[in-house]
Amino acid sequence: KQEVTQIPAALSVPEGENLVLNCSFTDSAIYNLQWFRQDPGKGLTSLLLIQSSQREQTSGRLNASLDKSSGRSTLYIAASQPGDSATYLCAVRPVQSNYQLIWGAGTKLIIKP
Amino acid sequence: DTAVSQTPKYLVTQMGNDKSIKCEQNLGHDTMYWYKQDSKKFLKIMFSYNNKELIINETVPNRFSPKSPDKAHLNLHINSLELGDSAVYFCASSQVWLAGDNEQFFGPGTRLTVL
Repeated sequence: KQEVTQIPAALSVPEGENLVLNCSFTDSAIYNLQWFRQDPGKGLTSLLLIQSSQREQTSGRLNASLDKSSGRSTLYIAASQPGDSATYLCAVRPVQSNYQLIWGAGTKLIIKP
Repeated sequence: DTAVSQTPKYLVTQMGNDKSIKCEQNLGHDTMYWYKQDSKKFLKIMFSYNNKELIINETVPNRFSPKSPDKAHLNLHINSLELGDSAVYFCASSQVWLAGDNEQFFGPGTRLTVL
């Protein structure tokens, strides 16, 4: 059974720092992995989608990597800003039940001005 | 323009009542989903419709009844609300179903509080 874990559960860093959020999954048989951002009252915003054949994806200050064999993904945020404060969720689409996403519980990120 | 929209955003109601949450997507997608996010922040899929047909029903009590009048809408009706139904409900859509590279787009969520 696929399980997704995100560590740490919460992270607080000063503005301007580079940071890494971690996501691990137990079954490497996935189609893709997606990183989302959740802002209170604003739902979920898709940040990056990495296909199983890819190693990384970049969007602006965000870089997501995928190491399928070890069951790990990282989301790197460069030069963090207070506006980056949100909960970051990762989700995998498993091959076995590819109609759904299996979610981590998220990392709550606070960027201090 | 909002791609996936839900109404209402907040819903506070008494136990035993019946309520509905509406979802609409203007992306031209074939597939729509309902997720429930519990207090521990995990999202669990409840239902999925593909071209107005029910595809997934994940062990959800039959008090929950989804309805898809057309491809762009998937509404969720809940009968006899219970305290445990309190959660945030998210609607989502994707272009097609059963595609490996399928990306899902989410609505803003509906926070349901049952008193």
